[in-house]
Amino acid sequence: QVQLQESGPGLVKPSQTLSLTCTVSGGSISSGSYYWSWIRQPAGEGPEWIGRIYTSGSTNYNPSLKSRVTISTDTSKNQLSLKVTSVTAADTAVYYCARSEVQTPYFDNWGQGTLVTVSS
Amino acid sequence: EIVLTQSPGTLSLSPGERATLSCRASQTVFSRSLAWYQQKPGQAPRLLIYGASSRATGIPDRFSGSGSGTDFTLTISRLEPEDFAVYYCQQYGGSPWTFGHGTKVEIK
Repeated sequence: QVQLQESGPGLVKPSQTLSLTCTVSGGSISSGSYYWSWIRQPAGEGPEWIGRIYTSGSTNYNPSLKSRVTISTDTSKNQLSLKVTSVTAADTAVYYCARSEVQTPYFDNWGQGTLVTVSS
Repeated sequence: EIVLTQSPGTLSLSPGERATLSCRASQTVFSRSLAWYQQKPGQAPRLLIYGASSRATGIPDRFSGSGSGTDFTLTISRLEPEDFAVYYCQQYGGSPWTFGHGTKVEIK
């Protein structure tokens, strides 16, 4: 069974870059059957889709964040990563990585999530 | 961007009762591309329903979804103690994929 696990700093200072990693176990991130996404959820709010990457390296981003976000993969480590630049308090949220099938972009497998707080 | 509005914000019910949750889209959701998730405190969302009415693997048949166009419904026929949680709808008919703000089902 495929499992996803997010990791990274829990505290980031305003104007700095948020960097997270998602390690995939029990399956290959290089499988051509799936997209790998990042999703975030501020406390008490609904989730927000950030963006996704395919095995080819092609990416799609939410226009609301596109100018500040980069998603990439490291197939040798079976990981995907997220970078968000110029963070503010509004970027404070639980960040999840999640999997969706190529033809059906709902999310059938999620990591447990990691809380990132933006504060000085 | 398609905005999803969920109602009610909170639903207070007793175990054994029927729960009806609504999700309304700001424009037509293509091809009934709507999913429902359940989220408990400190956990990630769990997929319940996709394609508006298909249950995900392992989801009990007391959960059912219906609807098309802009109006969708999640029904829990008889609430079990483990069903008290927050429920989100998500549309994947058009990018960016968007979620609603959730309906909390709480014990009355």
